Amino acid sequence: RKEVEQDPGPFNVPEGATVAFNCTYSNSASQSFFWYRQDCRKEPKLLMSVYSSGNEDGRFTAQLNRASQYISLLIRDSKLSDSATYLCVVTTGTALIFGKGTTLSVSS
Amino acid sequence: DAEITQSPRHKITETGRQVTLACHQTWNHNNMFWYRQDLGHGLRLIHYSYGVQDTNKGEVSDGYSVSRSNTEDLPLTLESAASSQTSVYFCASSEWREGIQYFGAGTRLSVL
Repeated sequence: RKEVEQDPGPFNVPEGATVAFNCTYSNSASQSFFWYRQDCRKEPKLLMSVYSSGNEDGRFTAQLNRASQYISLLIRDSKLSDSATYLCVVTTGTALIFGKGTTLSVSS
Repeated sequence: DAEITQSPRHKITETGRQVTLACHQTWNHNNMFWYRQDLGHGLRLIHYSYGVQDTNKGEVSDGYSVSRSNTEDLPLTLESAASSQTSVYFCASSEWREGIQYFGAGTRLSVL
């Protein structure tokens, strides 16, 4: 099992849609979890940290299920500007492990 | 504002040449990381450092080296560039070892 697995997509959705991304990780000792966003040919940028109780930042909601080793990201009311690749990130005890990313394309 | 800068942004070199990519951060972070990103592989860790004089190998360290003589800089050296090292290289830094990482804009390297 790969350390961090994501559905690569692409997810093609219209503006205003709700879309959900999933991520599974293999290291049960992982303590910190993040979602990063990466625009084409640019550096990854932190979107949000993921907390055990779940957390929300505007239109974005992140959930963590430690028992199933599963992380999710929900985007509500999608905007054109949300088009990007979303990277699931998990800690290993020494560094961060990045998933390969899920590509989202929002169209008008 | 604090930042992390990489130079050069683009580099073309020939196989067998030594190449050094610079990374400089003004966050005063102890932890610095180098990644490469290729289609189909995502971000892969090359080397990392938890402080001055500390360096560690990552997942894909063969053919690369780093040195950490001060807090601000972690240069990445390709000892003898190979075409397989054509990639986009990102440097990152963080306050905590497993904390949020802030990335530089990347260096696009082509080895011909």
